[in-house]
Amino acid sequence: QSALTQPASVSGSPGQSIAISCTGTSSDVGGYNFVSWYQQHPGKAPKLMLYEVNNRPSGVPDRFSGSKSGNTASLTISGLQAEDEADYYCASYTSSNTRVFGGGTKLTVL
Amino acid sequence: QVQLVESGGGVVQPGRSLRLSCAASGFTLSYYGMHWVRQAPGRGLEWVAVISSDGSNDFYADSVKGRFTISRDNSKNTVYLQMSSLRAVDTAVYYCAKDGDCSNGACHPNYFSNWGQGTLVTVSS
Repeated sequence: QSALTQPASVSGSPGQSIAISCTGTSSDVGGYNFVSWYQQHPGKAPKLMLYEVNNRPSGVPDRFSGSKSGNTASLTISGLQAEDEADYYCASYTSSNTRVFGGGTKLTVL
Repeated sequence: QVQLVESGGGVVQPGRSLRLSCAASGFTLSYYGMHWVRQAPGRGLEWVAVISSDGSNDFYADSVKGRFTISRDNSKNTVYLQMSSLRAVDTAVYYCAKDGDCSNGACHPNYFSNWGQGTLVTVSS
């Protein structure tokens, strides 16, 4: 049950686009389309942003999108806004019927 | 609207036990699997356990297997996490989360659709 691999930090200026990668194995990210992404502001509970790789729950702006290739999934945020500054986590279902999170990525909006 | 409210956290000595509760409202609990997820101070999210909608199946992270037990009482709209043999490394905010969602006759599982506000567990002598 090793954590998925995410970059520790990414940054971008308002209006720009950024991408956060999430690398796992064929037993989790690569084996299923059950990759999801969460946004967490300091002191708050996580919030679902994407599920099943690229599905947005109602209320999540279409600036947030996802993709997957092989064992790596990605979250892309376009038209970066100040309120997007937060920690982002990916998660995946695994072949052991467990779940696994990425280590988290701190997004800084410059 | 969906609401999840955790309770039962506090300060506990190493080796002791504690039971967390998660009160659910705004949806039919018996339709959904439920998870516990924790976050140590200043650290990332760690998945802890999941229980199926009817309570017949449960799975655990290796770090808690054999020490923690997830259970549920759908008649009371509550999910539990019984924690025993607690260690300092178990210190964290514990969140309960609903598994997936159903709408328009279709269900999509295997993600954390809604989260509670969390309850802090501190293991310290």
